[in-house]
Amino acid sequence: DAMVIQNPRYQVTQFGKPVTLSCSQTLNHNVMYWYQQKSSQAPKLLFHYYDKDFNNEADTPDNFQSRRPNTSFCFLDIRSPGLGDAAMYLCATSRDRPGFTEAFFGQGTRLTVV
Amino acid sequence: DAKTTQPTSMDCAEGRAANLPCNHSTISGNEYVYWYRQIHSQGPQYIIHGLKNNETNEMASLIITEDRKSSTLILPHATLRDTAVYYCIVRVAGGNQFYFGTGTSLTVIP
Repeated sequence: DAMVIQNPRYQVTQFGKPVTLSCSQTLNHNVMYWYQQKSSQAPKLLFHYYDKDFNNEADTPDNFQSRRPNTSFCFLDIRSPGLGDAAMYLCATSRDRPGFTEAFFGQGTRLTVV
Repeated sequence: DAKTTQPTSMDCAEGRAANLPCNHSTISGNEYVYWYRQIHSQGPQYIIHGLKNNETNEMASLIITEDRKSSTLILPHATLRDTAVYYCIVRVAGGNQFYFGTGTSLTVIP
């Protein structure tokens, strides 16, 4: 059963046209992450939510925003996509607790900018 | 930021053990070592984790050196479906961020 669901799997957007990617989870995890993965590169953490607290990575461009309206859903908004934003976007979740914490990843959304 | 160093790529014959090394010489006492793998065009998948002791599960074994500065992931009988990029991650217990290093691209050869 899918636990971290990303929709759509493939997204095509026009240069400069805002786009939103969505992520939902059935795990009731309090931490949700967004990663960007460009071709042949490792996933790069953009930001994460700890409950409702938003934590941005220092080098994440302002063009990327996120919303988490409730525990189950998290959105990635790209305000003005450029050609360099074409990538796989991965959502992940984890449960904050002492010791071992596993992160569960969705299958990703592959974004193409035309 | 990533705190691990891994070889860029490795090959392994099908049916043989695949031994993937990871260097994490700056690891702190409260940081766990995690291994994930990513099969082409899929999300990363958890494999195994450890703190000090060697660990084994149904997928793999993890050998951590006594000084904890390096570790080795062992896939005991590699199959073609094990072809993937393998990431070694160190992460503080209870910490929230997972930072990926460059990973090792493992190719299992028939």
